[in-house]
Amino acid sequence: SAVISQKPSRDICQRGTSLTIQCQVDSQVTMMFWYRQQPGQSLTLIATANQGSEATYESGFVIDKFPISRPNLTFSTLTVSNMSPEDSSIYLCSVDLRRAQYNEQFFGPGTRLTVL
Amino acid sequence: QKEVEQDPGPLSVPEGAIVSLNCTYSNSAFQYFMWYRQYSRKGPELLMYTYSSGNKEDGRFTAQVDKSSKYISLFIRDSQPSDSATYLCAMSRNTGNQFYFGTGTSLTVIP
Repeated sequence: SAVISQKPSRDICQRGTSLTIQCQVDSQVTMMFWYRQQPGQSLTLIATANQGSEATYESGFVIDKFPISRPNLTFSTLTVSNMSPEDSSIYLCSVDLRRAQYNEQFFGPGTRLTVL
Repeated sequence: QKEVEQDPGPLSVPEGAIVSLNCTYSNSAFQYFMWYRQYSRKGPELLMYTYSSGNKEDGRFTAQVDKSSKYISLFIRDSQPSDSATYLCAMSRNTGNQFYFGTGTSLTVIP
């Protein structure tokens, strides 16, 4: 399994500011994923972060708004830039571990962001 | 149309009841089906995994996939207060592909 920690666990921010969320994994992994979980909505993939290359963003998400760093195989950051109340959400990082027949995703505990 | 549809609930049942949680999907290419459990202020954790159609049982939990109807279910027998959580279905086309999640169903088991 994989143990994932995130910092901060929660934050309340003002409109127009930026917040950087950190994700640390206890083992080396090729890909790390960033999700957004808004009330009443599906867990939505923001981007996939590979070490040593640019992150790949899903439709509706752009690098200027959600810049991602992946400096090594155990760490990643997601920045939520120029925040607005619509960015209030839980942000989760996850990793993919290959099992015999399937890939299992392990999730961090999430960062609960409130934008005023 | 969403890729995956799931009734958000909330669902409240007495202890010992049988719980049925369901998801429907639109993409017939999905082959891998998963159920995640998410406790309050925690990340989701994998509960059950099923490949293609059929049933899979693990203790009090049974996962069922009906690909012809594009319908998956999770049954919880003898439900316990510790089962109180949000249950998310997820599916993918292939291993290593993107996961598509349902919105999650909030379950409360009342002692």
